Amino acid sequence: GENVEQHPSTLSVQEGDSAVIKCTYSDSASNYFPWYKQELGKRPQLIIDIRSNVGEKKDQRIAVTLNKTAKHFSLHITETQPEDSAVYFCAAPEGSARQLTFGSGTQLTVLP
Amino acid sequence: DAGVIQSPRHEVTEMGQEVTLRCKPISGHDYLFWYRQTMMRGLELLIYFNNNVPIDDSGMPEDRFSAKMPNASFSTLKIQPSEPRDSAVYFCASSPRTEPYGYTFGSGTRLTVV
Repeated sequence: GENVEQHPSTLSVQEGDSAVIKCTYSDSASNYFPWYKQELGKRPQLIIDIRSNVGEKKDQRIAVTLNKTAKHFSLHITETQPEDSAVYFCAAPEGSARQLTFGSGTQLTVLP
Repeated sequence: DAGVIQSPRHEVTEMGQEVTLRCKPISGHDYLFWYRQTMMRGLELLIYFNNNVPIDDSGMPEDRFSAKMPNASFSTLKIQPSEPRDSAVYFCASSPRTEPYGYTFGSGTRLTVV
C-alpha cells in the first residue's frame, strides 16, 4: 500500500515568516495530493490539493509543489498569521484509488 | 448542505458494551470513508464504501468492528464488544464521484471506553 512520510513533526515560526512542510509518497501511480488543516478539537479541513499533471498550485498565501520524479510534495505558507497555527496533514491515494493515506501530521505554531 | 453529520459527538461507555457510531454523508457524494484518529497512530482508514458497497475493509482492526451502509444517506460503525484501546476520535468523510475529489470530514465522534 501507499506509504506517506511527513516532516517536520513540529514547526515554530515567527508571525510573518514562511513555513514549509514536506511529504514523500511511495506509489508512483498516485495522482492526487491534498493537504488538510486540523485545528484543536476540530475536523480536518481541505485547504489545497494538486493533481499529478500540475507542478505547482497557489491559493492566496498557500501553495503546493509536486515533484513526481522524486515522489515528494510540499506545502508553503507565506506571511504566516497566528490563525495558521494548527496541525497540517498531507495525503496521497493508493494509485488512482480513492482512499487516502495520511501523513503523521505537522504541528505548526505561529508565534506573535 | 449541512455537510457530513456524525452522531454522537461524544460517547463514554464501559468495556464490553456495544457502541454504534452514525454518519450521514453529503447528498450526492458516492464515497464514504471511516477513519480513526489517535495520537499514536494518526489518521487510519478503517473502511470505505462506493455507492453503498464496501470496497476495502482491510483497515478494520478485528472482528469486533463492523460497518454498514444500508442506503446513500446513512452509515454505521459498530464496535462489539468495546475495549479501552478502542478509545479514539472516529471520523466519517464523504467524497464526490467527480473532481474535485477532496474529502469532507464530519465533526467526529470522541469515543472513550472505560
